[in-house]
Amino acid sequence: EAGVTQFPSHSVIEKGQTVTLRCDPISGHDNLYWYRRVMGKEIKFLLHFVKESKQDESGMPNNRFLAERTGGTYSTLKVQPAELEDSGVYFCASSPGARSDTQYFGPGTRLTVL
Amino acid sequence: AQTVTQSQPEMSVQEAETVTLSCTYDTSESNYYLFWYKQPPSRQMILVIRQEAYKQQNATENRFSVNFQKAAKSFSLKISDSQLGDTAMYFCAFGGPSNTGKLIFGQGTTLQVKP
Repeated sequence: EAGVTQFPSHSVIEKGQTVTLRCDPISGHDNLYWYRRVMGKEIKFLLHFVKESKQDESGMPNNRFLAERTGGTYSTLKVQPAELEDSGVYFCASSPGARSDTQYFGPGTRLTVL
Repeated sequence: AQTVTQSQPEMSVQEAETVTLSCTYDTSESNYYLFWYKQPPSRQMILVIRQEAYKQQNATENRFSVNFQKAAKSFSLKISDSQLGDTAMYFCAFGGPSNTGKLIFGQGTTLQVKP
């Protein structure tokens, strides 16, 4: 069974540019989460999809971040325009269903904004 | 709001010895879940062990076990017979029914296993 995949693994962009991160969850997992780890700090929740619906987006830092999950399969996280403080590692995770389910993490996308 | 604290940024242990990583949390909920994840260098984060708060028995997975003290809100991870492959960053995480599934993580502990 394929795990959670993320693309790209690294991205280096200039401040003000746009970047789109992609996450492919484990097949059949309805729940998809985005998290972010800024250098040296804890991993923080960004948002949670159940199928194609946003269940909880309380962690999204501001309106420069836009997440979508069309058709309830893969998800994208767009940052537009990127700022220096957006640098960090963006993790995606998926789980089958219930809130108590274990979340399976992708390898992360390291974003560097110069 | 729930919080998770890992007070040991870095630790080291000799191969084959035992090490304990600490984690404390704060919550007003009674039904929740606790997790330890590990992220080896340049590799994917994987689940090490999980504990349901309603279970009194401490979870165990091979060489990994937890000491879950619900009243003290403590959830430490013990690694026995440490191996070089245990070198990783370890994250403690909290998940509860009111959190809609999101996990709250501690700051992480970098563990170095020395030969």
